Amino acid sequence: AQSVTQLDSQVPVFEEAPVELRCNYSSSVSVYLFWYVQYPNQGLQLLLKYLSGSTLVKGINGFEAEFNKSQTSFHLRKPSVHISDTAEYFCAVSDQWETGNQFYFGTGTSLTVIP
Amino acid sequence: NAGVTQTPKFQVLKTGQSMTLQCAQDMNHEYMSWYRQDPGMGLRLIHYSVGAGITDQGEVPNGYNVSRSTTEDFPLRLLSAAPSQTSVYFCASSERTGTGRRSEQFFGPGTRLTVL
Repeated sequence: AQSVTQLDSQVPVFEEAPVELRCNYSSSVSVYLFWYVQYPNQGLQLLLKYLSGSTLVKGINGFEAEFNKSQTSFHLRKPSVHISDTAEYFCAVSDQWETGNQFYFGTGTSLTVIP
Repeated sequence: NAGVTQTPKFQVLKTGQSMTLQCAQDMNHEYMSWYRQDPGMGLRLIHYSVGAGITDQGEVPNGYNVSRSTTEDFPLRLLSAAPSQTSVYFCASSERTGTGRRSEQFFGPGTRLTVL
């Protein structure tokens, strides 16, 4: 089965500094990739997705992510964070070769933006 | 287009009680899933469905039942509530793409359940 690893469980960063949240997955064969954001006491909201095409994907709120097939990574970046970016971020993978569920989440990264 | 709706938003149960968490989607999605979220443990899959009449177990199915009689609805039943089932429950849906992979999941707002 596919596995998704978010290497950092907590990331503190100062306001207006850049941030990178890392995500690696286990199988490089034919996947779709997603990043979700969860603000406190809310549900999950899609930030961006990679289905095909350009490996650099832009999402909402100034976030972007780069698909690297050789390194099986999909890291999320933002050049300048705001206080409002404080949230939990989840990486997810949809795998064509799995039957049944096909959808796998990482354990999440808690981003805290410090004023 | 309401997306994915869940009721209730909050619920308090006593140990041993049963209840059903409701989930509905109006996007005609084939896939529906139930997750629970606990501090420090991310999202854990309870049960999922790949279409009406078809359900299967996820990572943590014990103590929960599901059914999928229509495309729209996917209720989650707690048979005999236990304190270990105190959690936030999310329902999600997605469609199957032409490539056979699932598209992004759309999440409901969640149900916060406390079992005393």
